[in-house]
Amino acid sequence: EVQLLESGGGLVQPGGSLRLSCAASGFTFSSHAMSWVRQAPGEGLEWVSAIGSGGSSTHYADSVKGRFTISRDNSKTTLYLQMDSLRAEDTAVYYCAKWGSGTYFDYWGQGTLVTVSS
Amino acid sequence: DIQMTQSPSTLSASVGDRVTITCRASQSISSWLAWYQQKPGKAPKLLIYKASSLESGVPARFSGSGSGTEFTLTISSLQPDDFATYYCQQCHSYSLTFGGGTKVEIK
Repeated sequence: EVQLLESGGGLVQPGGSLRLSCAASGFTFSSHAMSWVRQAPGEGLEWVSAIGSGGSSTHYADSVKGRFTISRDNSKTTLYLQMDSLRAEDTAVYYCAKWGSGTYFDYWGQGTLVTVSS
Repeated sequence: DIQMTQSPSTLSASVGDRVTITCRASQSISSWLAWYQQKPGKAPKLLIYKASSLESGVPARFSGSGSGTEFTLTISSLQPDDFATYYCQQCHSYSLTFGGGTKVEIK
């Protein structure tokens, strides 16, 4: 059974940093690209970032480019999102998601809430 | 970036109704489209990928069609478990983008 378990969310002040983790199990982690998708309270879904199976290829939404860094440790089957220079508009539930055979998401974690507020 | 526009934003329907949701892309995305269902407080669930391929385990009352810039998600006979919000997502190019969502409510 595929499982994705996010952690690391919480309350942080504007300008602060936070590192999210997503522990994966139940599939060959090193063979699949992964993404982070977020959802602000009461709003729709927003793709944030993607990383290839080997970790060398990364992509970011314009809204987070230069502030967020996606990475992965295939030996630990864990996906990360380093979030720096956080803004109030980054407040959201952050989901990690596994790619299917294309750039769509066939499994999602339960999400972790990030709140940016003073 | 490719913009995805869903309509309607809210839909009121009864159990047993046939429901259709439309998603339009700002440029051609071939068949690179996915549909998700999301219930309150839960993660999204993949329903359809590559515009018309049904994800394993998803009931056959869900179907997807379209190509290019116009796509539809159809629920042939709405069931109580189907009241949720539905999102389309273009899988063609970065930045990957979602539609604004369609909330299916009980009439």
